[in-house]
Amino acid sequence: AQTVTQSQPEMSVQEAETVTLSCTYDTSESDYYLFWYKQPPSRQMILVIRQEAYKQQNATENRFSVNFQKAAKSFSLKISDSQLGDAAMYFCAYRSAYGGATNKLIFGTGTLLAVQP
Amino acid sequence: GAGVSQTPSNKVTEKGKYVELRCDPISGHTALYWYRQSLGQGPEFLIYFQGTGAADDSGLPNDRFFAVRPEGSVSTLKIQRTERGDSAVYLCASSLSQGNTEAFFGQGTRLTVV
Repeated sequence: AQTVTQSQPEMSVQEAETVTLSCTYDTSESDYYLFWYKQPPSRQMILVIRQEAYKQQNATENRFSVNFQKAAKSFSLKISDSQLGDAAMYFCAYRSAYGGATNKLIFGTGTLLAVQP
Repeated sequence: GAGVSQTPSNKVTEKGKYVELRCDPISGHTALYWYRQSLGQGPEFLIYFQGTGAADDSGLPNDRFFAVRPEGSVSTLKIQRTERGDSAVYLCASSLSQGNTEAFFGQGTRLTVV
């Protein structure tokens, strides 16, 4: 079974600075997707960034980028130029890419990010 | 609708009562998922629908939990004989198809069993 581990329950960053959130996962599959979701107090999960395991190039979305290390099964999120609106709970998630699978998301326990003005 | 809609937003019920939680997915989305998020945890998979059928219900914790999606759009999660341990946020997500990687989430229903 696949597992996702986020070892940082809480992180803090100064506005305009850079912060990195860690995520490791365990799987025996070779093809899968990895995600970072943001969950503000409204509870709605918002997709931040997605990485396909077969792609070596790290995904980037504006101020958000990932460091995907497939051999190490590591998938960290870097937030540059942090803004007050980035404050939220961040979840790392795994999804199988195999056809016929449920394709459910497997989530970590989350990292609560605080942004200090 | 523009997004995934879940009702009610909050629900308080007494132990032993029956509750229904509703999810209205994005129009045209055939895949629908229910997750449960306990306090301080990440969401955990409950059940997956492809169209009207429950393709995977392996995440349902016991037979007090049941979900339906009779017309392939709106889904209802039903919990019988609620227990205090059922208190959690119940999240619904939909995607265009099973293979589509982007799942859109609703704002969840916070269920509190007293």
